[in-house]
Amino acid sequence: DAGVIQSPRHEVTEMGQEVTLRCKPISGHNSLFWYRQTMMRGLELLIYFNNNVPIDDSGMPEDRFSAKMPNASFSTLKIQPSEPRDSAVYFCASSLGTGGLTGELFFGEGSRLTVL
Amino acid sequence: AQTVTQSQPEMSVQEAETVTLSCTYDTSESNYYLFWYKQPPSRQMILVIRQEAYKQQNATENRFSVNFQKAAKSFSLKISDSQLGDTAMYFCAFRQGGSEKLVFGKGTKLTVNP
Repeated sequence: DAGVIQSPRHEVTEMGQEVTLRCKPISGHNSLFWYRQTMMRGLELLIYFNNNVPIDDSGMPEDRFSAKMPNASFSTLKIQPSEPRDSAVYFCASSLGTGGLTGELFFGEGSRLTVL
Repeated sequence: AQTVTQSQPEMSVQEAETVTLSCTYDTSESNYYLFWYKQPPSRQMILVIRQEAYKQQNATENRFSVNFQKAAKSFSLKISDSQLGDTAMYFCAFRQGGSEKLVFGKGTKLTVNP
């Protein structure tokens, strides 16, 4: 079975540019999560969806960040305009949601973003 | 808000030896789940072991076991017979029952030396 698929794997862009990260969750999973990983702050939950509906976006740092989930098999995380402090690895994860016994998260390989 | 603390930023162990990684958490809830995730250099997060708070028995998965002390809010990971492939970042994580959110600690970088 295919796992969580993220693209791009690496992105280098200049400050002020728009960045779009993409995620395809595991088929049948109804919850999707976006995490950001930095050395300083570790793994931070940005936003999560349940059945394509955003449930908690309290971790989204500012209005420059937005996330969408137009259907059960696709989500995007957009940063516009990007800034150097946005440089991080962005992970997408999916789970069976509270329907699963323990809500194990399955992670993608991450998208490493570098903003110059 | 729940917090997860891993007090050991880095650890090392010799191949075939045993190592224990520490994790403490803070919650006022009684129903929750605890996890250890491994992040090798390839970057992908992989679940190592999970523990339900209502279970008194410590979880075990092959060479990996936990010491779950509910009263002390402690959840340590023991790796027996360490292998070079165990070299990775290890993250402790907490999920409140009924919630989807997984809260992670800052991680412990484990190096297994030959």
